[in-house]
This record gives sequence, C-alpha cells and structure tokens, in this order.
Amino acid sequence: GQSLEQPSEVTAVEGAIVQINCTYQTSGFYGLSWYQQHDGGAPTFLSYNALDGLEETGRFSSFLSRSDSYGYLLLQELQMKDSASYFCSLSGNTGKLIFGQGTTLQVKP
Amino acid sequence: DAGVIQSPRHEVTEMGQEVTLRCKPISGHNSLFWYRQTMMRGLELLIYFNNNVPIDDSGMPEDRFSAKMPNASFSTLKIQPSEPRDSAVYFCASSLNRQPGQPQHFGDGTRLSIL
Repeated sequence: GQSLEQPSEVTAVEGAIVQINCTYQTSGFYGLSWYQQHDGGAPTFLSYNALDGLEETGRFSSFLSRSDSYGYLLLQELQMKDSASYFCSLSGNTGKLIFGQGTTLQVKP
Repeated sequence: DAGVIQSPRHEVTEMGQEVTLRCKPISGHNSLFWYRQTMMRGLELLIYFNNNVPIDDSGMPEDRFSAKMPNASFSTLKIQPSEPRDSAVYFCASSLNRQPGQPQHFGDGTRLSIL
C-alpha cells in the first residue's frame, strides 16, 4: 500500500522560515504534491515535484528526494495568513492523490 | 471564473434518510474526484471519474454509497441509508485531466451531520 507521514503540528513566529517534512512508503508514484487548507476551507494546490530537487514558487518551496522517500515544504517570511494545515500527497499515474494526515502550522506574532 | 460548486453547503438529517450531494466541476475539466474528510481518517478519496466514467471506486466505504456523473458538468454522491458515522465534510474536486501532478481544484465542501 501507500502511506505518508507528516508531523501533526508545527509552530513558528511571523517572519521566520519553517520546514514541513513528509516521508512516504509506496511501490511506485509519479510525484509529490502539496496542498494548503485553512480551517473550514477547501484544500488548495501549492506545488508538485515530479523530479528530485527543489521547486520554488514565491515564498514557498518544495523538495523531493526519491532515494530517501522524503520531501518537504519550505515556507519563508512567514505571515499570519500562513496558519493552516498542509498536506503532502502522492500522485499516481491516473491523477489519483493519496493524502497524508496533514500538518497544522500555527504562526505566532 | 467559477470554481467547483458543491451543494448543499450544510446538511443535517436523521439516520436512515437518503442524502444526495451535488457537484459542478470547472468547465473543461475532464476529471472529477469525491473526497471525505474527518478528524480520524483525514482526507480520503472515495471515487473519481474521467470523462464521466468511474475509474476507481475502491475508496467507497460501503454499498450504501453510490456516485454518478451523467454528464461533464454534474456529479452526485448518494448515501442511502445514512448513518451517524457518515458525518464528515465531503469535497468534490476537478482537474483538467488525469496527468500526474495536475492540480486538483476543490469545492467548498458539504458539511454533513447525520443524527
């Protein structure tokens, strides 16, 4: 089967940098996606890594290492509005996503 | 542009009743996904369609659950009969196609409470 592990909670201060890790077990996948979900809201797409390495999108970056079965989401210059849950997900060849349990990020002033 | 539209936003009903959740995907999107989210089980994929055809329904929990997509602009998820353990937020999402990594666009969800 497939499974992903993320820390359940992370706390950081405004303006800081935070890294949310994701380890996974799978027999095969095409890439790792990240989604953000504010409390009571819908998940929204952040990034996708098909290849090993770093993908940068503004203040957010995502990293994948297939050899280590590991990825992370890096958030820089944290803002209060970044307080949300962040989900890593494995992407299969049919577009199907398997989500981790999510990491709740709390940004403090 | 309109996003994924789900209705109703909230539903409270008694156990044993039939519940029908509705979804209108983004125009031009060929793939549609139904998810269920609970604190205990997280975000689970129930079923997904491509070009209106069900591709994988392995996540559908029981025969009480059924989903249809009669055309490219409409899908329903039905629970009959409903049970209290079905209480959850149900999300519909659509994506342009089945390509890996294609972003999925989620609706605002239906918050379902079965009493």
